[in-house]
Amino acid sequence: GQNIDQPTEMTATEGAIVQINCTYQTSGFNGLFWYQQHAGEAPTFLSYNVLDGLEEKGRFSSFLSRSKGYSYLLLKELQMKDSASYLCAVLFSNDYKLSFGAGTTVTVRA
Amino acid sequence: GAVVSQHPSRVICKSGTSVKIECRSLDFQATTMFWYRQFPKQSLMLMATSNEGSKATYEQGVEKDKFLINHASLTLSTLTVTSAHPEDSSFYICSAQPGQGVDTQYFGPGTRLTVL
Repeated sequence: GQNIDQPTEMTATEGAIVQINCTYQTSGFNGLFWYQQHAGEAPTFLSYNVLDGLEEKGRFSSFLSRSKGYSYLLLKELQMKDSASYLCAVLFSNDYKLSFGAGTTVTVRA
Repeated sequence: GAVVSQHPSRVICKSGTSVKIECRSLDFQATTMFWYRQFPKQSLMLMATSNEGSKATYEQGVEKDKFLINHASLTLSTLTVTSAHPEDSSFYICSAQPGQGVDTQYFGPGTRLTVL
C-alpha cells in the first residue's frame, strides 16, 4: 500500500515551534506536498519537496529525506491563525495521483 | 494566480434528486482535474481523475454511474451526484492541475452537500 502516517493531533503555545512528521512508503516516490486546511475549507498549498533537504518559506519550512521515507513541516513563531489541519500528501510515479495522510490537527493556545 | 472556484458552496437536497457541482480554474488551463470527498475529521479521498476531452478515471469503489464527471473544457469540470442519498452527504472538493504528471494541485473551496 501507500501508507502515509502523521500524528493525529498536536498542541503548542503561541510563539512556539511545532514540527509535524510524516512517513511514507518509498517505492515509486515522486514528490511530497504539505497543505494547510482550516475547518470547513479546502486545502491550501504550503510546500513541495522532491529532493532531499530543507525548503524554507517564511515561518514554514519543509524537510525531506527520500531514503528514509520521511518529511517534516516546521511551523515557527506560531500564531493563533495557524490552528488548522496539516495534510501530508505524496505523489507516486505509478499513477501521479496524490495520496493524502489523515492530517494533523494543530491547536495553538494563547 | 492558480485560483480554482467551486459552485455551489453549499447545497441541501432531498433524497433521490441529482446535484451538479461545478469546478472552474479561473486563471489557468487545467489539463487534469480531480474530485475528492472528505468526511468529517477524515482526510481527502480521491474519487476520480478527469482529463479534458476524455472519460474520467474512477477510483476503486466509486460508482461511475452515480458520480457523473464531465470535463468539457480546459477550465471547467462538473460532478453530478445522481439520485443522492443521505450517505452521500459530504464535503466535495475539486482540484485542478495545470500540467500532466508531476505538478501542484490547486484546490477549490469545496462544496458541502447535505442530503435529507
